[in-house]
Amino acid sequence: GQQLNQSPQSMFIQEGEDVSMNCTSSSIFNTWLWYKQDPGEGPVLLIALYKAGELTSNGRLTAQFGITRKDSFLNISASIPSDVGIYFCAGRMGRGSTLGRLYFGRGTQLTVWP
Amino acid sequence: ETGVTQTPRHLVMGMTNKKSLKCEQHLGHNAMYWYKQSAKKPLELMFVYSLEERVENNSVPSRFSPECPNSSHLFLHLHTLQPEDSALYLCASSQGQMNTEAFFGQGTRLTVV
Repeated sequence: GQQLNQSPQSMFIQEGEDVSMNCTSSSIFNTWLWYKQDPGEGPVLLIALYKAGELTSNGRLTAQFGITRKDSFLNISASIPSDVGIYFCAGRMGRGSTLGRLYFGRGTQLTVWP
Repeated sequence: ETGVTQTPRHLVMGMTNKKSLKCEQHLGHNAMYWYKQSAKKPLELMFVYSLEERVENNSVPSRFSPECPNSSHLFLHLHTLQPEDSALYLCASSQGQMNTEAFFGQGTRLTVV
């Protein structure tokens, strides 16, 4: 099936630093979603992107829908300890029951040192 | 009241047991999903229900049996599971079966002994 390559796999940063992670696919997607998952919890939707080139912010989080429609980026500015968790990208190829399904990356584990 | 609620949060069962996972969504969505999350693997889609009809089954073993009695409730019936079935089982819902913005429950941590 479709695979999303998410990188980096893990990040260890100091509080206050900025964070960048990205997701790429071999196919064109028309929707990109970014989720955060805390230990023992389900993923929580952070940002949804629907148009190539779109740049959307949610507080200190900013995500972009790549121009090629094959990638997306998530940036976190001025990280704080509660940013710790696993960040997942998810993409949707298009309409139609199979094409419309979400594909998930393997996640980026973020650790923030105080 | 959270949007998607799963019970139980934790479940330990023997390989010969029969148990069920429950999911309820309060978002007015008409599509619901079961995902399996194992360590170091991407989320695996197991079942998709749209308007209470199963529209996708990704070759999941028959020891997992879903049930969707209405658009707000989804069950996953488990029987004769294997230790490798131990994982976090996540329920999600969305408006429309295109899995656009899927909202997840907190998951059930299943351990098969």
